[in-house]
Amino acid sequence: GQQLNQSPQSMFIQEGEDVSMNCTSSSIFNTWLWYKQDPGEGPVLLIALYKAGELTSNGRLTAQFGITRKDSFLNISASIPSDVGIYFCAGHGYSGGGADGLTFGKGTHLIIQP
Amino acid sequence: KAGVTQTPRYLIKTRGQQVTLSCSPISGHRSVSWYQQTPGQGLQFLFEYFSETQRNKGNFPGRFSGRQFSNSRSEMNVSTLELGDSALYLCASTGQGAGNTIYFGEGSWLTVV
Repeated sequence: GQQLNQSPQSMFIQEGEDVSMNCTSSSIFNTWLWYKQDPGEGPVLLIALYKAGELTSNGRLTAQFGITRKDSFLNISASIPSDVGIYFCAGHGYSGGGADGLTFGKGTHLIIQP
Repeated sequence: KAGVTQTPRYLIKTRGQQVTLSCSPISGHRSVSWYQQTPGQGLQFLFEYFSETQRNKGNFPGRFSGRQFSNSRSEMNVSTLELGDSALYLCASTGQGAGNTIYFGEGSWLTVV
């Protein structure tokens, strides 16, 4: 089955630093999504990417859909304490008669040191 | 507009019992999908429903089932619960069209003892 490799697994950074994380896939996806999940909550959508090569920003967040459609990255600039959490990439494909389910990476745990 | 609503938020069941979880999607969304999240396996796709029909299914045993009603609300059921079914069960709602994004509810925390 499809698998996503998300890295790094965890990041320990200082407030104000920039953050970069990425996902690679063995399969092509039609959509890449980035989510943030806080403890005890469901994932919250940060950025959605629909076209290969697309670069999209949402405030301090920037994400890109790789040209090969098998990878994506997420950058966070000037990190702040509320950025702490687990970030997930997810790929979405279409096959057969309907949409496939999302395939998720294992997550990047972002920890900000005071 | 209101988000994805899942009930109950927390529940504890005994091995061998069955459980039903409910999800109300975002108004106007006709696609509902379910995911299981555990520390070991991460987020895994269970199944997806659109217009009361199951369109896609993940790699889970037949004890996991679901259905969708005409108002797009969905339920998932797990029968003969096992300890390993303890997880956060997430429901996601999608609008029509390939470009529509997928929004999650807060989840239902199931503990099997």
